[in-house]
Amino acid sequence: SQTIHQWPATLVQPVGSPLSLECTVEGTSNPNLYWYRQAAGRGLQLLFYSVGIGQISSEVPQNLSASRPQDRQFILSSKKLLLSDSGFYLCACRDIKRYDEQFFGPGTRLTVL
Amino acid sequence: KQEVTQIPAALSVPEGENLVLNCSFTDSAIYNLQWFRQDPGKGLTSLLLIQSSQREQTSGRLNASLDKSSGRSTLYIAASQPGDSATYLCAAYNYGQNFVFGPGTRLSVLP
Repeated sequence: SQTIHQWPATLVQPVGSPLSLECTVEGTSNPNLYWYRQAAGRGLQLLFYSVGIGQISSEVPQNLSASRPQDRQFILSSKKLLLSDSGFYLCACRDIKRYDEQFFGPGTRLTVL
Repeated sequence: KQEVTQIPAALSVPEGENLVLNCSFTDSAIYNLQWFRQDPGKGLTSLLLIQSSQREQTSGRLNASLDKSSGRSTLYIAASQPGDSATYLCAAYNYGQNFVFGPGTRLSVLP
């Protein structure tokens, strides 16, 4: 079965600094990959998804971007963080071999000060 | 556009009770419905996935049902334990679209 790794686990960054969060997937090939954000007391918000290398779709306009340089690597970035970027960031994959079941990584807690 | 709601938003029960969590969706043409558990500060753990052709799935003390015609799914937890305390989320998947998550039900099982 697949395993999703995310790092770092926690991150505290000043406003205006850059961001790079990494997600890697093991145990599957050519997965659909997703970045979600979960703000305090709010539901899951889909930020980006990718169906293949170099293919990124954005769901919400914002100052974040995503890239998929390798089949099982998904990166979330920002050039200049805003206070509103604080939240819990989750990477997920969809396994088409298991009836499109979705699996999540452990998440990254980002605090922007 | 698919919308998913969950009732109640929070639930507190004594240990040993059987309980039901509800999930409603607006578009009945779903491909599957998935239930997750989330512990504080952690990622989501997949509990059960029900395909559109199925009516229920069971795993241990958990049983999830799906009624597409009424736009409802329920998660039944038997003989609840303090370790079941967590937030439970459901997500509906329509083929070719993205998952739509409900807001979750926060469950507390009191010893």
